Amino acid sequence: KNEVEQSPQNLTAQEGEFITINCSYSVGISALHWLQQHPGGGIVSLFMLSSGKKKHGRLIATINIQEKHSSLHITASHPRDSAVYICAVRGGNQFYFGTGTSLTVIP
Amino acid sequence: NAGVTQTPKFRVLKTGQSMTLLCAQDMNHEYMYWYRQDPGMGLRLIHYSVGEGTTAKGEVPDGYNVSRLKKQNFLLGLESAAPSQTSVYFCASSSLDRVVTFGSGTRLTVV
Repeated sequence: KNEVEQSPQNLTAQEGEFITINCSYSVGISALHWLQQHPGGGIVSLFMLSSGKKKHGRLIATINIQEKHSSLHITASHPRDSAVYICAVRGGNQFYFGTGTSLTVIP
Repeated sequence: NAGVTQTPKFRVLKTGQSMTLLCAQDMNHEYMYWYRQDPGMGLRLIHYSVGEGTTAKGEVPDGYNVSRLKKQNFLLGLESAAPSQTSVYFCASSSLDRVVTFGSGTRLTVV
């Protein structure tokens, strides 16, 4: 069973395109995180959300608690955005992770 | 400003050998976690701790043991390594207000 489902699994975009990654979850949560992992690299937290919307530079994250759904948007995508994006939710003392969306941005 | 530090970063073990992975955090976080990451499977929880002196099993605890004798350290032990334990291991810590920070990972190969 997967408490967190992400789509798409893989995404290829041209530089400058607007990108959306979706996350749906099935457990009660206290917070949702969007994480970024570059190839062979560590994992960095981009956003922590419990409601509404957050923006950081070209990245925007939204969450709809009633629908148990979150989206990560990247505006004006750039090759340096190429990475795996992971949705994670905090339920109780644990985190539940999606399997990630692999994004490749082509110049 | 180190955050979460994992040692070692790389290790090759022979089947049956033992080793300990160290995770240290300097943010005074209550919660600490050990995950393994395998291709196509995402992050899976091995063990976690909600405070000094406490540990609990996660999704895939078999073959691993942990200890949290000090709040800032969380140790992951492999008593008798198996090839199935070849993976990338990540430690993470989290505060009571849910901020989470990951270590840079340990790439372990068991031959």
